[in-house]
Amino acid sequence: TQLLEQSPQFLSIQEGENLTVYCNSSSVFSSLQWYRQEPGEGPVLLVTVVTGGEVKKLKRLTFQFGDARKDSSLHITAAQPGDTGLYLCAGVGNYGQNFVFGPGTRLSVLP
Amino acid sequence: TAGITQAPTSQILAAGRSMTLRCTQDMRHNAMYWYRQDLGLGLRLIHYSNTAGTTGKGEVPDGYSVSRANTDDFPLTLASAVPSQTSVYFCASSDSRSGGYTFGSGTRLTVV
Repeated sequence: TQLLEQSPQFLSIQEGENLTVYCNSSSVFSSLQWYRQEPGEGPVLLVTVVTGGEVKKLKRLTFQFGDARKDSSLHITAAQPGDTGLYLCAGVGNYGQNFVFGPGTRLSVLP
Repeated sequence: TAGITQAPTSQILAAGRSMTLRCTQDMRHNAMYWYRQDLGLGLRLIHYSNTAGTTGKGEVPDGYSVSRANTDDFPLTLASAVPSQTSVYFCASSDSRSGGYTFGSGTRLTVV
């Protein structure tokens, strides 16, 4: 079973601060996705990365896929309260072509 | 609004009773999935369907069954509920071209 670990598990910061959350595995993934989930809702896809070393930017969010395609990071610049939520990473797993999800990083941005 | 509709939103169910969680999508996605989300364990795949007429087992399939009679509907059935099935259940679909998942808003199930 391909497992994904995410760190930190919880993060509470002040508005305007920068932060980075991490997604790691001992397995190689052909692609990796990041989702954000708000309370009472399902996860919403933010980005898909497929190439080792790839960097993608989505406004204040920067996503990087590790060179070996075993890890990924999400950096948020000048965090805002609207960034609050559970951030999940997911990689293609062993069950057909279905994605395996990490446990998530719960981010709280305080005004 | 296009997407996935799950019903009911929440349910309290007596142990031993059966229940079907409904999931409908209007995006004509080929693949559909059922996940359960538990604190500290993240999202775990229960069953999936790559196309209408086919289904497969995920990581935690025991106690659950699914069917995929058509592209749009993917119901999840608990034949005889147990308290360990208390969870939030999410249905998702994917366009095989992009791979990104679209999730429903979830069904919060409590088995007592």
